[in-house]
Amino acid sequence: DAGVIQSPRHEVTEMGQEVTLRCKPISGHNSLFWYRQTMMRGLELLIYFNNNVPIDDSGMPEDRFSAKMPNASFSTLKIQPSEPRDSAVYFCASSLEYEQYFGPGTRLTVT
Amino acid sequence: AQSVTQLDSHVSVSEGTPVLLRCNYSSSYSPSLFWYVQHPNKGLQLLLKYTSAATLVKGINGFEAEFKKSETSFHLTKPSAHMSDAAEYFCVVSKWSNTDKLIFGTGTRLQVFP
Repeated sequence: DAGVIQSPRHEVTEMGQEVTLRCKPISGHNSLFWYRQTMMRGLELLIYFNNNVPIDDSGMPEDRFSAKMPNASFSTLKIQPSEPRDSAVYFCASSLEYEQYFGPGTRLTVT
Repeated sequence: AQSVTQLDSHVSVSEGTPVLLRCNYSSSYSPSLFWYVQHPNKGLQLLLKYTSAATLVKGINGFEAEFKKSETSFHLTKPSAHMSDAAEYFCVVSKWSNTDKLIFGTGTRLQVFP
């Protein structure tokens, strides 16, 4: 298996633009997690899905952030409009049982 | 509520010497505990996990951790450090289900000197 796939790996955008991050979980995994990592705040869970249904989105910073999982093999995290403080590395992870497998991350820079 | 505390933000060792990264946890039930490693500009990789089976858990790359309920600790050790072990290490706690959140520690940066 190729592992968790994220795209793009790097994204540079201007403040106010819409940003969409994509994730393909490991086939057969039924849970998917979106995290954000910054130097100041460390690793934060934004939202997670189980069987394509959002279970907990309490970590989503504000209404500018939204996440979808239309099927078992694809999820998106959208930021609209983006702000400089959204600059971070965004990780997607998937799991079947106890272990979460992380993707390589998307490094987002908002100027 | 669950939590983990990584007692050292930075640890420096010489190559070939033992590694000890300390982690204490707090949980009102039997937790699952993990150690993840993150190399620079990489994603997180699972090193090892404890899920109420053997208290001494062996992981990849020669790492192991011992679950000590009486001390609420889950320290990570390795007998002999290698230069490639330099990375950030995260102690993590969760409930028993894959639908539960992972609670990450703040991380310990391991430096290995030649």
